Amino acid sequence: DAGVIQSPRHEVTEMGQEVTLRCKPISGHDYLFWYRQTMMRGLELLIYFNNNVPIDDSGMPEDRFSAKMPNASFSTLKIQPSEPRDSAVYFCASHGTGSYNEQFFGPGTRLTVL
Amino acid sequence: AQSVAQPEDQVNVAEGNPLTVKCTYSVSGNPYLFWYVQYPNRGLQFLLKYITGDNLVKGSYGFEAEFNKSQTSFHLKKPSALVSDSALYFCAVREAPGNTPLVFGKGTRLSVIA
Repeated sequence: DAGVIQSPRHEVTEMGQEVTLRCKPISGHDYLFWYRQTMMRGLELLIYFNNNVPIDDSGMPEDRFSAKMPNASFSTLKIQPSEPRDSAVYFCASHGTGSYNEQFFGPGTRLTVL
Repeated sequence: AQSVAQPEDQVNVAEGNPLTVKCTYSVSGNPYLFWYVQYPNRGLQFLLKYITGDNLVKGSYGFEAEFNKSQTSFHLKKPSALVSDSALYFCAVREAPGNTPLVFGKGTRLSVIA
């Protein structure tokens, strides 16, 4: 298995632009998580899905952030409009059914908003 | 509510010496406990987990962790540190048997000095 796949790996954009981050979870995993990591705040859970349905989005910082999971093999995190304070590394993770299962993380997308 | 504490932001150890990275947790019931490692510019990698059974858990790269229910701790250990072990280490907990997301600690930066 290729593991969790994220694209792009790096994104540099200007303030006000729309940014879309993409994630392909491990095949067969029915939980998908989006995290944000910064030096100041550490690792923050933004939103997670179970069987493509959003379960908890209380970590999404503002209405500028939205996430979708149209099918079991694809999810997007969109920021519109982007701001410099959104600069961070965004991780996607997935795990299979069973709370004893570990989460597998993707390599992350490093977002820089100028 | 679930929570994890990693009391040390930074741990320094000489190469060849034993290392310990501390973690304490709080859950209402029984815990599932995990350790992850993050190398620079990489995603989090799973090291080991405690689900049930033997309190001493062995994981990847020679790491092990001991579950101590009375002290609510799950410290990460390695008998002989390598320079290549230098990384950021995260402890995480999930209350069993629920399917809530993992709760991560703030991370401990381990530096192994040659």
